[in-house]
Amino acid sequence: AQSVAQPEDQVNVAEGNPLTVKCTYSVSGNPYLFWYVQYPNRGLQFLLKYITGDNLVKGSYGFEAEFNKSQTSFHLKKPSALVSDSALYFCAVRRAGGSYIPTFGRGTSLIVHP
Amino acid sequence: DAGVIQSPRHEVTEMGQEVTLRCKPISGHDYLFWYRQTMMRGLELLIYFNNNVPIDDSGMPEDRFSAKMPNASFSTLKIQPSEPRDSAVYFCASTLGLASYNEQFFGPGTRLTVL
Repeated sequence: AQSVAQPEDQVNVAEGNPLTVKCTYSVSGNPYLFWYVQYPNRGLQFLLKYITGDNLVKGSYGFEAEFNKSQTSFHLKKPSALVSDSALYFCAVRRAGGSYIPTFGRGTSLIVHP
Repeated sequence: DAGVIQSPRHEVTEMGQEVTLRCKPISGHDYLFWYRQTMMRGLELLIYFNNNVPIDDSGMPEDRFSAKMPNASFSTLKIQPSEPRDSAVYFCASTLGLASYNEQFFGPGTRLTVL
């Protein structure tokens, strides 16, 4: 079985400040981890993924995520938030070599204040 | 590439009516997924296809829901009869499934309102 937890329903940050959106996972074996973003009235859009190798993954729009195997976490980060980053963020996990069905978290609403 | 295309973008119907949602996946993608998104339940996987064959429909809520994929470029999700609790945003997504680390590409969604 695989699962994802996004412990915060909402994250508030001031524009220009660093942001972190948290994600922890549970999977038997090695994970493939993904972050998606959903802007209002839009579908989910892929941001970045971890497959193997370097624990720090860089993605679109200046976002990055750090894979931490010991803490089973994959937190999304950005050094300087923009108001336009305000959206719903989803973390997802698949077991490496497993099925093609990812498990998504409940989503975290990021609000960046001007 | 136009991405995943869904139609209609919005659908308002009355309880008891049949609703058909449509999806065109990205050309060459061999996996297609139907999801439902609500505030209460978040993002739920309803069914997915591989090479036009339904693989897992355990997420389909009840017999009122059915999905087909007659060819590689078209899929439908039908609700008959519709009920107010079916109101949600329905997403179609596709992926190239050669490796399970490939990301999914989502369509813009169909917002369904059942009165």
